[in-house]
Amino acid sequence: QKEVEQNSGPLSVPEGAIASLNCTYSDRGSQSFFWYRQYSGKSPELIMSIYSNGDKEDGRFTAQLNKASQYVSLLIRDSQPSDSATYLCAVNGGMFGNQFYFGTGTSLTVIP
Amino acid sequence: NAGVTQTPKFRILKIGQSMTLQCAQDMNHNYMYWYRQDPGMGLKLIYYSVGAGITDKGEVPNGYNVSRSTTEDFPLRLELAAPSQTSVYFCASSYSTPMNTEAFFGQGTRLTVV
Repeated sequence: QKEVEQNSGPLSVPEGAIASLNCTYSDRGSQSFFWYRQYSGKSPELIMSIYSNGDKEDGRFTAQLNKASQYVSLLIRDSQPSDSATYLCAVNGGMFGNQFYFGTGTSLTVIP
Repeated sequence: NAGVTQTPKFRILKIGQSMTLQCAQDMNHNYMYWYRQDPGMGLKLIYYSVGAGITDKGEVPNGYNVSRSTTEDFPLRLELAAPSQTSVYFCASSYSTPMNTEAFFGQGTRLTVV
């Protein structure tokens, strides 16, 4: 069964805090993992991609992948009000094949 | 930089009407996808294509049809619109090897069936 699961939230953090977003997936053979940000009424835009176990950092964003636990996370440091959006986890490869399967998204609000 | 272009942006259909959602990309991507997104939900894959002339069903294909006659274009056809098809539709494209790539999205089409 193909599943990508996220906590729907909403998640609220104060400005300057660390926001932690989590995602689990069903297929151990999955190969590619993505975090997309989606503002209300807009299309998803890529924040991070990760393909190997461990951490990947890009500015204030860090993606963490643990294939043994089938778990991927996104940390947002020094959260800003402009980070308020829905964050979508996507998985590709393995039984997901060439398709991108998305979780239902986590709504994040950063409180000034 | 056009990227992925969808038309129209908004549309209201009456029950039983038909329409085609257009999608074009200028990045020479082999893979193209159609998703629908219902309020407060994630993206559900309707159909996808791995190249011109090749299409396959995703999670929620019922009520839709697609064709891929060129690399650039991937239209989505609704034959008999139903209220359950009220949604936001996103077209996306990616390179032919999913590893080390990403899906690029169009701006979406908001469809209401009344």
